[in-house]
Amino acid sequence: AQSVAQPEDQVNVAEGNPLTVKCTYSVSGNPYLFWYVQYPNRGLQFLLKYITGDNLVKGSYGFEAEFNKSQTSFHLKKPSALVSDSALYFCAVRDMGTEDYKLSFGAGTTVTVRA
Amino acid sequence: GAGVSQSPSNKVTEKGKDVELRCDPISGHTALYWYRQRLGQGLEFLIYFQGNSAPDKSGLPSDRFSAERTGESVSTLTIQRTQQEDSAVYLCASTTMFRGQLKNIQYFGAGTRLSVL
Repeated sequence: AQSVAQPEDQVNVAEGNPLTVKCTYSVSGNPYLFWYVQYPNRGLQFLLKYITGDNLVKGSYGFEAEFNKSQTSFHLKKPSALVSDSALYFCAVRDMGTEDYKLSFGAGTTVTVRA
Repeated sequence: GAGVSQSPSNKVTEKGKDVELRCDPISGHTALYWYRQRLGQGLEFLIYFQGNSAPDKSGLPSDRFSAERTGESVSTLTIQRTQQEDSAVYLCASTTMFRGQLKNIQYFGAGTRLSVL
């Protein structure tokens, strides 16, 4: 079985401050990991992914995420948050050993960046 | 098309009525997915299509839910005798194959917001 946990329902930061959105995962084998962002009344947009290689993955809009196998985590980070980063963020995982279509999503974290 | 298109964007219906939700995937994408997103919750997998066959319908919550797909194009999700608990955003996503395997990135439509009164 595969699953994702996003322990924080909400994250609030001031503009210009670092932003971290937490994600932990559970898989039987090795993971493929993803972050998506959802703006109001819009579908999910892909931000970044970890498949293999460097543990630090860089994605769109200045976001990056660090894969930590020992802690089974894939936290999303941005060094300096913008008000426009306010949105709902989803972490997702797929177990490399399972059917290649199945992604499991976390419940989402609402990020609010105040000016 | 340029992206995944879903229609209608909003649907309000009365309890007990049937509804049809439409998804038009990115041209050339062989795989298509339906998800349900309830208010304040994550995405709940409903069904997956590879071409026009559905190898995994395990996420459909009841026999009131069904879906079909014409070839590698449009898919319709039908909910019969709608209940208030069906109120949610229904999201569609598509992806393509590369060297015989599905690409991992799913591309999402904007969703259909269904409200059952």
